[in-house]
Amino acid sequence: DGGITQSPKYLFRKEGQNVTLSCEQNLNHDAMYWYRQDPGQGLRLIYYSQIVNDFQKGDIAEGYSVSREKKESFPLTVTSAQKNPTAFYLCASSKDRVDGELFFGEGSRLTVL
Amino acid sequence: DQQVKQNSPSLSVQEGRISILNCDYTNSMFDYFLWYKKYPAEGPTFLISISSIKDKNEDGRFTVFLNKSAKHLSLHIVPSQPGDSAVYFCAASARGYGNKLVFGAGTILRVKS
Repeated sequence: DGGITQSPKYLFRKEGQNVTLSCEQNLNHDAMYWYRQDPGQGLRLIYYSQIVNDFQKGDIAEGYSVSREKKESFPLTVTSAQKNPTAFYLCASSKDRVDGELFFGEGSRLTVL
Repeated sequence: DQQVKQNSPSLSVQEGRISILNCDYTNSMFDYFLWYKKYPAEGPTFLISISSIKDKNEDGRFTVFLNKSAKHLSLHIVPSQPGDSAVYFCAASARGYGNKLVFGAGTILRVKS
Protein backbone atom coordinates (compact mmCIF):
# COMPACT_ATOMS: atom_id res chain seq x y z
CA ASP A 1 0.00 0.00 0.00
CA GLY A 2 1.18 3.53 -0.72
CA GLY A 3 1.94 5.74 2.20
CA ILE A 4 4.41 7.51 4.41
CA THR A 5 6.56 5.62 6.87
CA GLN A 6 8.19 7.33 9.80
CA SER A 7 10.68 5.69 12.11
CA PRO A 8 11.25 5.27 14.91
CA LYS A 9 7.81 5.77 16.46
CA TYR A 10 9.32 6.52 19.86
CA LEU A 11 12.80 7.80 20.55
CA PHE A 12 14.64 8.82 23.67
CA ARG A 13 17.82 10.81 23.62
CA LYS A 14 20.11 12.46 26.11
CA GLU A 15 20.72 16.17 26.04
CA GLY A 16 23.51 17.15 23.71
CA GLN A 17 22.95 14.30 21.27
CA ASN A 18 21.86 14.64 17.68
CA VAL A 19 19.12 12.32 16.49
CA THR A 20 17.79 11.60 13.00
CA LEU A 21 14.16 10.80 12.24
CA SER A 22 13.45 8.85 9.10
CA CYS A 23 10.66 9.57 6.62
CA GLU A 24 10.03 7.52 3.49
CA GLN A 25 7.15 7.80 1.02
CA ASN A 26 6.14 5.60 -1.88
CA LEU A 27 3.40 7.88 -3.19
CA ASN A 28 5.65 9.40 -5.87
CA HIS A 29 4.99 12.81 -4.34
CA ASP A 30 7.25 15.70 -5.19
CA ALA A 31 6.89 17.75 -2.02
CA MET A 32 7.74 16.62 1.51
CA TYR A 33 7.50 18.35 4.87
CA TRP A 34 8.39 18.09 8.52
CA TYR A 35 6.03 19.46 11.15
CA ARG A 36 6.24 19.61 14.90
CA GLN A 37 3.24 19.32 17.20
CA ASP A 38 3.24 20.58 20.77
CA PRO A 39 0.27 20.50 23.18
CA GLY A 40 -2.12 23.40 22.57
CA GLN A 41 -0.36 24.45 19.40
CA GLY A 42 -1.03 23.83 15.77
CA LEU A 43 1.31 21.98 13.48
CA ARG A 44 4.36 24.13 12.95
CA LEU A 45 6.44 23.75 9.81
CA ILE A 46 10.12 22.96 10.32
CA TYR A 47 11.40 22.33 6.78
CA TYR A 48 9.92 21.48 3.42
CA SER A 49 11.21 20.32 0.08
CA GLN A 50 9.56 20.69 -3.30
CA ILE A 51 12.09 18.72 -5.32
CA VAL A 52 15.13 16.54 -4.84
CA ASN A 53 18.26 18.32 -3.64
CA ASP A 54 16.30 21.39 -2.66
CA PHE A 55 14.67 22.34 0.65
CA GLN A 56 13.45 25.45 2.41
CA LYS A 57 13.23 26.54 6.03
CA GLY A 58 9.82 26.64 7.59
CA ASP A 59 8.72 28.69 10.58
CA ILE A 60 10.83 26.94 13.23
CA ALA A 61 13.92 25.62 11.44
CA GLU A 62 16.48 26.59 14.09
CA GLY A 63 18.19 23.54 15.58
CA TYR A 64 17.07 21.22 12.79
CA SER A 65 18.58 20.04 9.52
CA VAL A 66 17.27 18.02 6.58
CA SER A 67 18.42 16.46 3.33
CA ARG A 68 16.57 15.40 0.18
CA GLU A 69 18.91 13.18 -1.79
CA LYS A 70 16.13 10.94 -3.06
CA LYS A 71 12.52 11.72 -3.97
CA GLU A 72 11.27 9.09 -1.53
CA SER A 73 13.26 10.15 1.51
CA PHE A 74 13.35 13.27 3.69
CA PRO A 75 15.20 12.63 6.98
CA LEU A 76 15.14 15.19 9.77
CA THR A 77 18.05 15.66 12.17
CA VAL A 78 17.29 17.22 15.53
CA THR A 79 20.57 18.72 16.64
CA SER A 80 21.82 19.57 20.08
CA ALA A 81 21.21 23.21 19.19
CA GLN A 82 17.46 22.69 19.37
CA LYS A 83 16.56 24.09 22.78
CA ASN A 84 13.31 22.24 23.34
CA PRO A 85 13.33 19.11 21.17
CA THR A 86 10.79 17.00 23.09
CA ALA A 87 7.77 16.88 20.78
CA PHE A 88 5.73 14.86 18.33
CA TYR A 89 7.21 15.08 14.83
CA LEU A 90 5.14 14.57 11.71
CA CYS A 91 6.36 14.01 8.19
CA ALA A 92 4.04 14.70 5.26
CA SER A 93 4.04 14.75 1.49
CA SER A 94 1.94 16.28 -1.27
CA LYS A 95 1.64 15.48 -4.93
CA ASP A 96 3.04 18.65 -6.37
CA ARG A 97 2.28 22.09 -5.06
CA VAL A 98 3.63 23.08 -1.67
CA ASP A 99 0.11 23.95 -0.57
CA GLY A 100 -1.54 20.82 -1.87
CA GLU A 101 -3.39 18.29 0.23
CA LEU A 102 -0.97 16.72 2.67
CA PHE A 103 -0.62 13.05 3.47
CA PHE A 104 0.89 12.44 6.87
CA GLY A 105 2.92 9.68 8.43
CA GLU A 106 2.06 8.31 11.85
CA GLY A 107 4.57 10.50 13.61
CA SER A 108 7.62 10.08 15.82
CA ARG A 109 7.63 11.02 19.48
CA LEU A 110 11.01 12.30 20.64
CA THR A 111 11.73 12.62 24.33
CA VAL A 112 14.90 14.24 25.58
CA LEU A 113 15.95 12.97 29.00
CA ASP B 1 1.11 35.96 14.84
CA GLN B 2 -1.51 33.25 14.42
CA GLN B 3 -3.05 33.53 10.99
CA VAL B 4 -5.42 30.62 11.58
CA LYS B 5 -7.22 30.44 14.90
CA GLN B 6 -9.36 27.77 16.46
CA ASN B 7 -10.57 29.48 19.58
CA SER B 8 -12.28 26.49 21.16
CA PRO B 9 -9.69 24.05 22.54
CA SER B 10 -12.36 21.42 23.08
CA LEU B 11 -15.97 20.55 22.35
CA SER B 12 -18.22 17.90 23.84
CA VAL B 13 -21.31 16.67 21.98
CA GLN B 14 -23.88 13.93 22.50
CA GLU B 15 -23.96 11.12 19.98
CA GLY B 16 -26.45 11.81 17.19
CA ARG B 17 -26.35 15.57 17.62
CA ILE B 18 -24.55 18.12 15.47
CA SER B 19 -20.91 19.05 16.08
CA ILE B 20 -19.81 22.49 14.91
CA LEU B 21 -16.12 23.30 14.86
CA ASN B 22 -15.07 26.85 14.10
CA CYS B 23 -12.02 28.43 12.52
CA ASP B 24 -11.10 32.07 11.91
CA TYR B 25 -8.34 33.42 9.71
CA THR B 26 -6.71 36.80 9.33
CA ASN B 27 -4.93 36.61 5.97
CA SER B 28 -7.29 37.78 3.22
CA MET B 29 -5.06 36.09 0.64
CA PHE B 30 -6.05 32.63 1.87
CA ASP B 31 -8.20 30.98 -0.78
CA TYR B 32 -8.07 27.28 0.02
CA PHE B 33 -9.09 25.72 3.30
CA LEU B 34 -8.85 22.20 4.64
CA TRP B 35 -9.89 20.23 7.70
CA TYR B 36 -7.77 17.41 9.08
CA LYS B 37 -8.69 14.86 11.73
CA LYS B 38 -6.14 13.39 14.09
CA TYR B 39 -6.31 10.49 16.53
CA PRO B 40 -3.76 10.25 19.39
CA ALA B 41 -0.31 9.03 18.35
CA GLU B 42 -1.28 9.04 14.68
CA GLY B 43 -0.75 11.46 11.82
CA PRO B 44 -3.59 13.74 10.71
CA THR B 45 -5.79 12.58 7.86
CA PHE B 46 -7.47 14.81 5.33
CA LEU B 47 -11.19 15.25 5.89
CA ILE B 48 -12.63 17.89 3.61
CA SER B 49 -11.62 21.06 1.79
CA ILE B 50 -13.17 24.14 0.27
CA SER B 51 -12.04 26.68 -2.25
CA SER B 52 -12.82 30.36 -1.81
CA ILE B 53 -15.02 30.31 -4.90
CA LYS B 54 -17.52 28.24 -2.92
CA ASP B 55 -19.31 28.85 0.35
CA LYS B 56 -20.22 25.25 1.09
CA ASN B 57 -18.83 21.80 0.46
CA GLU B 58 -20.43 18.59 1.60
CA ASP B 59 -19.14 15.04 1.93
CA GLY B 60 -21.44 12.62 3.67
CA ARG B 61 -21.86 13.63 7.30
CA PHE B 62 -19.29 16.42 6.95
CA THR B 63 -20.03 19.90 5.63
CA VAL B 64 -17.68 22.86 5.56
CA PHE B 65 -19.06 26.40 5.35
CA LEU B 66 -16.97 29.40 4.33
CA ASN B 67 -17.85 33.01 5.11
CA LYS B 68 -15.22 35.08 3.31
CA SER B 69 -16.45 38.44 4.52
CA ALA B 70 -16.14 37.29 8.12
CA LYS B 71 -12.97 35.30 7.42
CA HIS B 72 -14.60 32.35 9.13
CA LEU B 73 -15.16 28.73 8.31
CA SER B 74 -16.89 25.97 10.16
CA LEU B 75 -17.08 22.20 10.00
CA HIS B 76 -20.43 20.56 10.70
CA ILE B 77 -20.67 16.88 11.55
CA VAL B 78 -24.18 15.45 11.46
CA PRO B 79 -24.95 13.10 13.10
CA SER B 80 -21.97 12.92 15.41
CA GLN B 81 -20.64 9.47 16.24
CA PRO B 82 -18.27 8.30 19.00
CA GLY B 83 -15.68 7.47 16.33
CA ASP B 84 -15.57 11.15 15.42
CA SER B 85 -13.84 11.87 18.73
CA ALA B 86 -10.47 13.27 17.68
CA VAL B 87 -8.54 16.50 17.26
CA TYR B 88 -9.65 18.57 14.28
CA PHE B 89 -7.22 20.96 12.61
CA CYS B 90 -8.20 23.76 10.30
CA ALA B 91 -5.61 24.75 7.67
CA ALA B 92 -5.43 27.47 5.03
CA SER B 93 -3.24 28.47 2.14
CA ALA B 94 -2.99 31.02 -0.64
CA ARG B 95 -2.92 28.69 -3.64
CA GLY B 96 -2.48 31.39 -6.17
CA TYR B 97 0.67 32.47 -4.41
CA GLY B 98 2.19 29.05 -3.80
CA ASN B 99 2.21 29.47 -0.04
CA LYS B 100 2.42 26.59 2.35
CA LEU B 101 -0.41 25.43 4.55
CA VAL B 102 -0.92 27.23 7.85
CA PHE B 103 -2.56 25.21 10.62
CA GLY B 104 -4.71 26.21 13.55
CA ALA B 105 -4.07 24.87 17.06
CA GLY B 106 -6.80 22.24 16.80
CA THR B 107 -10.05 21.49 18.61
CA ILE B 108 -10.55 18.30 20.60
CA LEU B 109 -13.97 16.85 19.86
CA ARG B 110 -15.50 14.35 22.27
CA VAL B 111 -18.68 12.61 21.21
CA LYS B 112 -20.44 11.00 24.16
CA SER B 113 -22.54 7.89 23.68
